[in-house]
Amino acid sequence: QQQVKQSPQSLIVQKGGISIINCAYENTAFDYFPWYQQFPGKGPALLIAIRPDVSEKKEGRFTISFNKSAKQFSLHIMDSQPGDSATYFCAASKETSGSRLTFGEGTQLTVNP
Amino acid sequence: DAGVIQSPRHEVTEMGQEVTLRCKPISGHNSLFWYRQTMMRGLELLIYFNNNVPIDDSGMPEDRFSAKMPNASFSTLKIQPSEPRDSAVYFCASRPTGGLYLWGNEQFFGPGTRLTVL
Repeated sequence: QQQVKQSPQSLIVQKGGISIINCAYENTAFDYFPWYQQFPGKGPALLIAIRPDVSEKKEGRFTISFNKSAKQFSLHIMDSQPGDSATYFCAASKETSGSRLTFGEGTQLTVNP
Repeated sequence: DAGVIQSPRHEVTEMGQEVTLRCKPISGHNSLFWYRQTMMRGLELLIYFNNNVPIDDSGMPEDRFSAKMPNASFSTLKIQPSEPRDSAVYFCASRPTGGLYLWGNEQFFGPGTRLTVL
């Protein structure tokens, strides 16, 4: 019940296109859903996060869509840029002090110029 | 703030040798996490501490791995003896808990230590 499943494993998008990465979780106790971005040679860094009491959160070109009944959430990158090329991880946790994050398997995004 | 500091950044060692990875969390952060990243297994949580106390070490692969946090500003991950299958990038992350932190569970990752065991 602790798993977070992420797809696709890799994604190639043309500059200006929309990148979509999907995640599904099992544990209904999860109430915090972040996306992390990792560039080669760097550690992951928080990109955007959402709570389950909203269905969508947007920050610039990045949007999380959340479907509580389906236990799914997705990251949409609008107007994708070559600088967005990175590995993206979804994650989930119980938003309590000291709780752990469960990460998805990661998606390697390549945006071609 | 300098962020999470890890050392060394790269380590090459021979099978059977002891390896010690070091981490300095962000000042004021109460939680510290050790992760291992490989192509095959992705990002795996090995162990995490709250207020210097180990909370969950279920991800530690076997007895060859041990982690300590003697104080709020320092942690080590030790592998003894090391094996080629331990080759990976090891990340340390820290997070504030309660108090000043208003929402969310953001973890701040260090740059990682790339370990190669020959």
